[in-house]
Amino acid sequence: NAGVTQTPKFQVLKTGQSMTLQCAQDMNHNSMYWYRQDPGMGLRLIYYSASEGTTDKGEVPNGYNVSRLNKREFSLRLESAAPSQTSVYFCASSSGETGEQYFGPGTRLTVT
Amino acid sequence: AQKITQTQPGMFVQEKEAVTLDCTYDTSDQSYGLFWYKQPSSGEMIFLIYQGSYDEQNATEGRYSLNFQKARKSANLVISASQLGDSAMYFCAMRHPGYSSASKIIFGSGTRLSIRP
Repeated sequence: NAGVTQTPKFQVLKTGQSMTLQCAQDMNHNSMYWYRQDPGMGLRLIYYSASEGTTDKGEVPNGYNVSRLNKREFSLRLESAAPSQTSVYFCASSSGETGEQYFGPGTRLTVT
Repeated sequence: AQKITQTQPGMFVQEKEAVTLDCTYDTSDQSYGLFWYKQPSSGEMIFLIYQGSYDEQNATEGRYSLNFQKARKSANLVISASQLGDSAMYFCAMRHPGYSSASKIIFGSGTRLSIRP
């Protein structure tokens, strides 16, 4: 099992460019999440999807959109990138009673 | 509002010693879950251990144990017999109960643990 995969691993964008971060999980989890991690800080929730067909805002949703394409895939889109969106982005999925989340390897995004 | 506090930004510990990483939390909910994650320098987030608010016994996973003191709202991680590979950033996290069917988690700011040979 691959677990949670993310593409790309690294990306450099210019201000105003758009891009989509892809995430897929093969653990048959219902819920999926997108976080950002800024240097020296913990993770902050951008958006999440409790189940296929639903999405909700997290703590820092401004400047982002998401799509839950199917049960496996959850994408994050930056419509017009800004330097403040320079960060490491993590996708995660969860299921089960305890709700522990399993994370992808992250995407390091730099916006110049 | 729910909050996680980790007051130790960094710690240095001698190899083979035990180490305790502090975590306190704030919630008015009765049902919640507490997690610890490890983030090595390679960047991935690794789930270590879970404690439910109704669990009567402290959680243990190999060399990791969670010292859960509900009345004090603390959930400290104890690593026994530390190893060089334990050097990493450690995050305490708490699950919000009943937030749709997703386990919405908030994270503390982390503690950087460095193990000295």
